[in-house]
Amino acid sequence: NAGVTQTPKFRILKIGQSMTLQCAQDMNHNYMYWYRQDPGMGLKLIYYSVGAGITDKGEVPNGYNVSRSTTEDFPLRLELAAPSQTSVYFCASSYGTGSYEQYFGPGTRLTVT
Amino acid sequence: GESVGLHLPTLSVQEGDNSIINCAYSNSASDYFIWYKQESGKGPQFIIDIRSNMDKRQGQRVTVLLNKTVKHLSLQIAATQPGDSAVYFCAESPFNRLAFGKGNQVVVIP
Repeated sequence: NAGVTQTPKFRILKIGQSMTLQCAQDMNHNYMYWYRQDPGMGLKLIYYSVGAGITDKGEVPNGYNVSRSTTEDFPLRLELAAPSQTSVYFCASSYGTGSYEQYFGPGTRLTVT
Repeated sequence: GESVGLHLPTLSVQEGDNSIINCAYSNSASDYFIWYKQESGKGPQFIIDIRSNMDKRQGQRVTVLLNKTVKHLSLQIAATQPGDSAVYFCAESPFNRLAFGKGNQVVVIP
Protein backbone atom coordinates (compact mmCIF):
# COMPACT_ATOMS: atom_id res chain seq x y z
CA ASN A 1 0.00 0.00 0.00
CA ALA A 2 1.16 3.53 -0.79
CA GLY A 3 -0.74 4.87 2.23
CA VAL A 4 -1.62 8.56 1.99
CA THR A 5 -0.16 10.40 -0.97
CA GLN A 6 -0.14 14.14 -1.58
CA THR A 7 0.72 16.23 -4.61
CA PRO A 8 2.44 18.54 -5.22
CA LYS A 9 5.26 18.51 -2.65
CA PHE A 10 6.03 22.19 -3.11
CA ARG A 11 4.19 25.08 -4.71
CA ILE A 12 4.60 28.84 -4.93
CA LEU A 13 1.48 30.86 -5.64
CA LYS A 14 0.95 34.52 -6.31
CA ILE A 15 -1.65 36.38 -4.28
CA GLY A 16 -5.08 35.84 -5.77
CA GLN A 17 -4.23 32.63 -7.62
CA SER A 18 -6.07 29.38 -6.98
CA MET A 19 -4.92 25.79 -6.75
CA THR A 20 -5.98 22.32 -5.67
CA LEU A 21 -3.95 20.18 -3.32
CA GLN A 22 -4.45 16.52 -4.09
CA CYS A 23 -4.75 13.77 -1.50
CA ALA A 24 -5.39 10.09 -2.01
CA GLN A 25 -5.36 7.03 0.25
CA ASP A 26 -5.47 3.36 -0.65
CA MET A 27 -6.33 1.95 2.78
CA ASN A 28 -10.11 2.10 2.31
CA HIS A 29 -10.38 4.53 5.21
CA ASN A 30 -13.68 6.27 5.72
CA TYR A 31 -12.33 9.35 7.46
CA MET A 32 -10.06 11.89 5.82
CA TYR A 33 -8.68 15.18 7.09
CA TRP A 34 -6.84 18.28 5.99
CA TYR A 35 -4.52 20.10 8.39
CA ARG A 36 -2.24 23.05 8.10
CA GLN A 37 0.95 23.43 10.10
CA ASP A 38 2.52 26.83 10.56
CA PRO A 39 6.20 27.11 11.62
CA GLY A 40 6.77 26.00 15.20
CA MET A 41 3.11 25.23 15.67
CA GLY A 42 0.88 22.21 15.93
CA LEU A 43 -1.57 21.09 13.31
CA LYS A 44 -4.87 22.86 12.84
CA LEU A 45 -7.81 21.07 11.25
CA ILE A 46 -9.16 22.73 8.11
CA TYR A 47 -11.81 20.27 6.90
CA TYR A 48 -12.64 16.65 7.39
CA SER A 49 -14.83 14.01 5.81
CA VAL A 50 -16.47 10.95 7.33
CA GLY A 51 -17.20 9.35 3.98
CA ALA A 52 -17.83 9.97 0.30
CA GLY A 53 -20.18 12.92 -0.17
CA ILE A 54 -19.87 14.13 3.43
CA THR A 55 -17.58 16.96 4.51
CA ASP A 56 -17.48 19.29 7.48
CA LYS A 57 -15.56 22.31 8.66
CA GLY A 58 -12.72 22.10 11.10
CA GLU A 59 -11.05 24.80 13.14
CA VAL A 60 -9.75 27.01 10.28
CA PRO A 61 -11.91 26.50 7.14
CA ASN A 62 -11.98 30.06 5.79
CA GLY A 63 -10.40 30.40 2.35
CA TYR A 64 -10.60 26.67 1.59
CA ASN A 65 -13.04 24.24 0.04
CA VAL A 66 -13.12 20.46 -0.15
CA SER A 67 -15.01 17.72 -1.90
CA ARG A 68 -15.18 13.97 -1.39
CA SER A 69 -16.60 12.23 -4.42
CA THR A 70 -14.83 8.93 -3.75
CA THR A 71 -13.52 7.11 -0.68
CA GLU A 72 -9.97 7.41 -1.97
CA ASP A 73 -9.67 11.11 -2.83
CA PHE A 74 -10.03 14.26 -0.79
CA PRO A 75 -8.80 17.36 -2.65
CA LEU A 76 -8.39 20.73 -0.95
CA ARG A 77 -9.11 23.83 -3.00
CA LEU A 78 -7.60 27.23 -2.28
CA GLU A 79 -9.44 30.12 -3.89
CA LEU A 80 -7.85 33.59 -4.05
CA ALA A 81 -4.63 32.64 -2.26
CA ALA A 82 -3.42 34.99 0.48
CA PRO A 83 -0.04 35.23 2.26
CA SER A 84 -1.74 33.95 5.43
CA GLN A 85 -2.20 30.62 3.66
CA THR A 86 1.54 30.07 3.47
CA SER A 87 1.94 26.85 5.40
CA VAL A 88 2.59 23.13 5.19
CA TYR A 89 -0.56 21.18 4.43
CA PHE A 90 -1.05 17.62 5.60
CA CYS A 91 -3.73 15.20 4.56
CA ALA A 92 -4.58 12.29 6.85
CA SER A 93 -6.95 9.37 6.98
CA SER A 94 -8.31 7.00 9.58
CA TYR A 95 -10.53 3.95 9.59
CA GLY A 96 -13.54 5.41 11.34
CA THR A 97 -15.22 6.44 14.55
CA GLY A 98 -13.23 5.36 17.59
CA SER A 99 -10.05 4.95 15.59
CA TYR A 100 -7.89 7.88 16.42
CA GLU A 101 -4.79 6.58 14.70
CA GLN A 102 -4.54 8.89 11.76
CA TYR A 103 -2.17 8.16 8.91
CA PHE A 104 -0.55 11.24 7.46
CA GLY A 105 0.76 12.07 4.03
CA PRO A 106 4.18 13.67 3.47
CA GLY A 107 2.76 17.18 3.19
CA THR A 108 2.64 20.00 0.66
CA ARG A 109 4.69 23.11 1.34
CA LEU A 110 2.83 26.13 -0.02
CA THR A 111 4.18 29.66 -0.26
CA VAL A 112 1.95 32.57 -1.26
CA THR A 113 3.78 35.73 -2.29
CA GLY B 1 -10.64 28.70 24.59
CA GLU B 2 -9.63 25.21 25.57
CA SER B 3 -6.36 23.99 24.20
CA VAL B 4 -3.63 21.39 24.32
CA GLY B 5 -0.11 22.59 25.06
CA LEU B 6 3.37 21.45 25.99
CA HIS B 7 5.56 22.66 28.83
CA LEU B 8 9.03 22.45 27.26
CA PRO B 9 9.86 23.56 23.73
CA THR B 10 13.16 21.64 23.44
CA LEU B 11 14.52 18.61 25.24
CA SER B 12 18.15 17.57 24.81
CA VAL B 13 18.82 14.00 25.86
CA GLN B 14 21.96 11.91 25.97
CA GLU B 15 21.75 8.77 23.87
CA GLY B 16 20.74 5.86 26.07
CA ASP B 17 19.01 8.02 28.67
CA ASN B 18 15.27 8.12 29.18
CA SER B 19 13.22 11.01 27.83
CA ILE B 20 10.09 12.49 29.33
CA ILE B 21 7.87 14.82 27.35
CA ASN B 22 5.03 16.58 29.11
CA CYS B 23 1.73 17.94 27.91
CA ALA B 24 -1.11 19.82 29.59
CA TYR B 25 -4.67 19.66 28.36
CA SER B 26 -7.68 21.64 29.39
CA ASN B 27 -10.70 19.99 27.77
CA SER B 28 -12.36 17.79 30.37
CA ALA B 29 -14.55 16.23 27.67
CA SER B 30 -11.57 14.63 25.93
CA ASP B 31 -11.84 10.87 26.00
CA TYR B 32 -8.74 9.99 24.02
CA PHE B 33 -5.16 11.19 24.01
CA ILE B 34 -2.53 10.47 21.42
CA TRP B 35 1.16 11.06 20.91
CA TYR B 36 2.59 11.66 17.45
CA LYS B 37 6.18 11.89 16.28
CA GLN B 38 7.18 14.13 13.41
CA GLU B 39 10.58 13.82 11.83
CA SER B 40 11.96 16.68 9.79
CA GLY B 41 10.23 17.00 6.43
CA LYS B 42 7.71 14.25 7.12
CA GLY B 43 4.14 13.92 8.23
CA PRO B 44 3.29 13.02 11.84
CA GLN B 45 3.45 9.36 12.77
CA PHE B 46 1.29 7.73 15.43
CA ILE B 47 3.22 6.53 18.47
CA ILE B 48 0.76 5.54 21.18
CA ASP B 49 -2.65 6.43 22.51
CA ILE B 50 -4.53 6.18 25.78
CA ARG B 51 -8.19 6.33 26.69
CA SER B 52 -9.42 8.56 29.46
CA ASN B 53 -10.38 5.56 31.63
CA MET B 54 -6.72 4.47 31.80
CA ASP B 55 -3.78 6.06 33.58
CA LYS B 56 -0.91 4.19 31.93
CA ARG B 57 -0.22 2.41 28.69
CA GLN B 58 3.01 0.88 27.46
CA GLY B 59 4.29 0.26 23.99
CA GLN B 60 7.65 -0.63 22.55
CA ARG B 61 10.13 1.58 24.48
CA VAL B 62 7.37 4.13 25.12
CA THR B 63 4.99 4.67 28.01
CA VAL B 64 2.17 7.19 28.17
CA LEU B 65 0.88 8.39 31.53
CA LEU B 66 -2.39 10.21 32.03
CA ASN B 67 -3.23 12.18 35.15
CA LYS B 68 -6.79 13.42 34.83
CA THR B 69 -6.72 15.12 38.21
CA VAL B 70 -4.23 17.71 37.00
CA LYS B 71 -5.00 17.27 33.29
CA HIS B 72 -1.50 16.15 32.44
CA LEU B 73 -0.18 13.73 29.85
CA SER B 74 3.38 12.52 29.48
CA LEU B 75 5.36 10.37 27.08
CA GLN B 76 8.35 8.44 28.35
CA ILE B 77 10.88 7.08 25.90
CA ALA B 78 13.26 4.46 27.27
CA ALA B 79 16.89 4.25 26.14
CA THR B 80 16.59 7.18 23.74
CA GLN B 81 18.20 6.59 20.37
CA PRO B 82 19.34 9.00 17.64
CA GLY B 83 16.29 7.99 15.61
CA ASP B 84 14.09 9.42 18.36
CA SER B 85 15.18 12.94 17.44
CA ALA B 86 11.97 14.59 16.26
CA VAL B 87 9.12 16.85 17.28
CA TYR B 88 6.56 15.16 19.49
CA PHE B 89 2.94 16.29 19.58
CA CYS B 90 0.28 15.39 22.03
CA ALA B 91 -3.30 15.51 20.80
CA GLU B 92 -6.65 15.17 22.48
CA SER B 93 -9.95 14.08 21.05
CA PRO B 94 -13.08 15.53 22.63
CA PHE B 95 -15.43 15.22 19.66
CA ASN B 96 -14.07 12.50 17.37
CA ARG B 97 -11.51 14.94 16.04
CA LEU B 98 -7.96 15.63 17.10
CA ALA B 99 -6.72 18.88 18.65
CA PHE B 100 -2.93 19.06 18.51
CA GLY B 101 -0.54 20.84 20.83
CA LYS B 102 2.34 22.95 19.55
CA GLY B 103 5.01 20.27 19.71
CA ASN B 104 8.16 19.56 21.69
CA GLN B 105 11.52 19.14 19.98
CA VAL B 106 13.64 16.25 21.23
CA VAL B 107 17.34 16.32 20.35
CA VAL B 108 19.37 13.21 21.06
CA ILE B 109 23.04 13.82 21.78
CA PRO B 110 25.28 10.93 20.65
